[in-house]
Amino acid sequence: QSVLTQPPSASGTPGQRVTISCSGGSSNIGRNSVSWCQHLPGTAPKVLIYKDDQRPSGVPDRFSGSKSGTSTSLAISGLRSEDEADYYCAVWDDSLSVWVFGGGTKLTVL
Amino acid sequence: QVQLVESGGGVVQPGRSLGLSCAASGFTSSSYVMHWVRQPPGKGLEWVAITDGNNKFYADSVKGRFTISSDNSKNTLYLQMNSLRAEDTAVYYCAREVPRSGLFDYWGQGTLVTVSS
Repeated sequence: QSVLTQPPSASGTPGQRVTISCSGGSSNIGRNSVSWCQHLPGTAPKVLIYKDDQRPSGVPDRFSGSKSGTSTSLAISGLRSEDEADYYCAVWDDSLSVWVFGGGTKLTVL
Repeated sequence: QVQLVESGGGVVQPGRSLGLSCAASGFTSSSYVMHWVRQPPGKGLEWVAITDGNNKFYADSVKGRFTISSDNSKNTLYLQMNSLRAEDTAVYYCAREVPRSGLFDYWGQGTLVTVSS
């Protein structure tokens, strides 16, 4: 069981806005920057957000990240079918001296 | 261009050892933080180990059994896995992190390790 808690699933229809949450603690999210990864089966993961709310070049601005205290969220607006994937939050934990990934959220585009 | 290519995966019996390699090209791996991340079948991503060349940290599940290392002359990252268990069965990815950013900007394609008798 991960120290970061994500809902196992989320869904939305094309064009909708979906938010995926990730809850942690004072030694991880409360103290360090969070990254969000998108993972499609059979492919390498891809970082969508780093340093809580920064987008790497090439990532559409439909993806955004935010953080408040020990919780963080990934928002996807203008949902598209190709957004159907697994999404993970990740952060360094100062107490454990490890990187931790959330359990992952499977996003379904209806 | 930047590439990470893993190799060394395969089928191994419980208790045995296996070594993975991650050949980097298009950049100098010693200038970055390098990670191993795995995904067991049907499960989520799990962080395994990290090195910045000087420091090394491990997930509790592999501490004492796995060793991360790098050879700058070969621009290659390694993961030596000893005392393998069935629960180590996974696709193993190496990934590059821009230092102190959490930006894992390049990943390998993954290599499958199956621990089974």
